[in-house]
Amino acid sequence: HSALTQPASVSGSPGQSITISCTGTSSDVGGYNYVSWYQQHPGKAPKLMIYDVSNRPSGVSNRFSGSKSGNTASLTISGLQADDEADYYCSSYTSSSTYVFGTGTKVTVL
Amino acid sequence: EVQLLESGGGLVQPGGSLRLSCTASGFTFSSYAVNWVRQAPGKGLEWVSVITGSGASTYYADSVKGRFTISRDNSKNTLYLQMNSLTAEDTAVYYCAKHGAVVPAAIGGYDAFPIWGQGTMVTVSS
Repeated sequence: HSALTQPASVSGSPGQSITISCTGTSSDVGGYNYVSWYQQHPGKAPKLMIYDVSNRPSGVSNRFSGSKSGNTASLTISGLQADDEADYYCSSYTSSSTYVFGTGTKVTVL
Repeated sequence: EVQLLESGGGLVQPGGSLRLSCTASGFTFSSYAVNWVRQAPGKGLEWVSVITGSGASTYYADSVKGRFTISRDNSKNTLYLQMNSLTAEDTAVYYCAKHGAVVPAAIGGYDAFPIWGQGTMVTVSS
């Protein structure tokens, strides 16, 4: 399974909303409701932000939301804050009983 | 507090072997699948392998299949990754990541990696 496709970078001003897309195939994103999103600050381990397409773990701000349509999943960050500046990765379960990550998106807060 | 602590990384020559360990605490280790995920310097995340809570089933990325072996000792709350025939392309930070369920794609969901260790660096170079 090839890496899921994400935009290399997305930017927004504080308070704005941004959306990051994650495009796969019917063998991964489109075939299962097992898409998750991770935030990674430089030099740190990834942090789970969304699981099973649209669920937030306890402690994650409700400014983060997820959705899916067909083979494309999306992460929306509303009310953008300075600390949201980080790399974001999507991940999906696949038909081979494996997992695949996205190419990663660098979010910049202007 | 739920924690994962990796160890065993270091410098190894091409063609060599290395075994990574990941010690868990703060949760019932055998009740969860555990994954290895790696990240080459300046690159994105790459899923490597997963083992179910009982250890009965394992799955691998194509890039490591036949060279890496994942295993666990639930009596020691420890996950392992035996890495053989290493190449420069295996140079990366290796993270262990607790799964949200006992098996991948479990009915009931939480198919994700909610807890990560701090990572251990593996460098393959002569």
